[in-house]
Amino acid sequence: QVTLKESGPGILQPSQTLSLTCTFSGFSLSTYGMGVGWIRQPSGKGLEWLANIWWDDDKYYNPSLKNRLTISKDTSNNQAFLKITNVDTADTATYYCARIANYWGQGVMVTVSS
Amino acid sequence: DVLMTQTPVSLPVSLGGQVSISCRSSQSLVHSDGNTYLHWYLQKPGQSPQLLIYRVSNRFSGVPDRFSGSGSGTDFTLKISRVEPEDLGVYYCLQSTHFPYTFGAGTKLELK
Repeated sequence: QVTLKESGPGILQPSQTLSLTCTFSGFSLSTYGMGVGWIRQPSGKGLEWLANIWWDDDKYYNPSLKNRLTISKDTSNNQAFLKITNVDTADTATYYCARIANYWGQGVMVTVSS
Repeated sequence: DVLMTQTPVSLPVSLGGQVSISCRSSQSLVHSDGNTYLHWYLQKPGQSPQLLIYRVSNRFSGVPDRFSGSGSGTDFTLKISRVEPEDLGVYYCLQSTHFPYTFGAGTKLELK
């Protein structure tokens, strides 16, 4: 059974760095072809794919967030991570991780506010 | 980025009825490996999106055969027959052929 669960700070201030963790089970990120992605959704709005990391440590970032994103993984502990630097109120959203592209976590709400 | 144009925005339906949702991409979604990475999701209120159809026409595990996907190249359709109450929510298409992956804006399926 594949499950994913996101965790994060809940609330942070503008200009801080957002650190998110995706803890998963039922698959391994060391298995050929496996990948985890991060997606976000502002309240009442659509979905935006942010970044991917693959079993071979290949990474892709959405250019719309320029150089603010860093994705990484800890294969031994079945976790993937996403950092977003210099956050702004526009980064307020529910953040999801997903095993590309079938199973999704429940999401974690993040609010950026001063 | 690949633009995904999804229509309609809102889709009123009667229970037991049939509906279609269209998703058109700004460029071909045929990957260099020969596959077409166009998927359909349903997001129910307060939940994360759940995969219904992957690679155009393949039903995901546990998805009833009332859901079917079709299309090729840049033009894709999701059909839902015999609509049931649990089918209500927002439907999204996703292309994962080209990075960044991009979603359609969503179609809200609601009762007439």
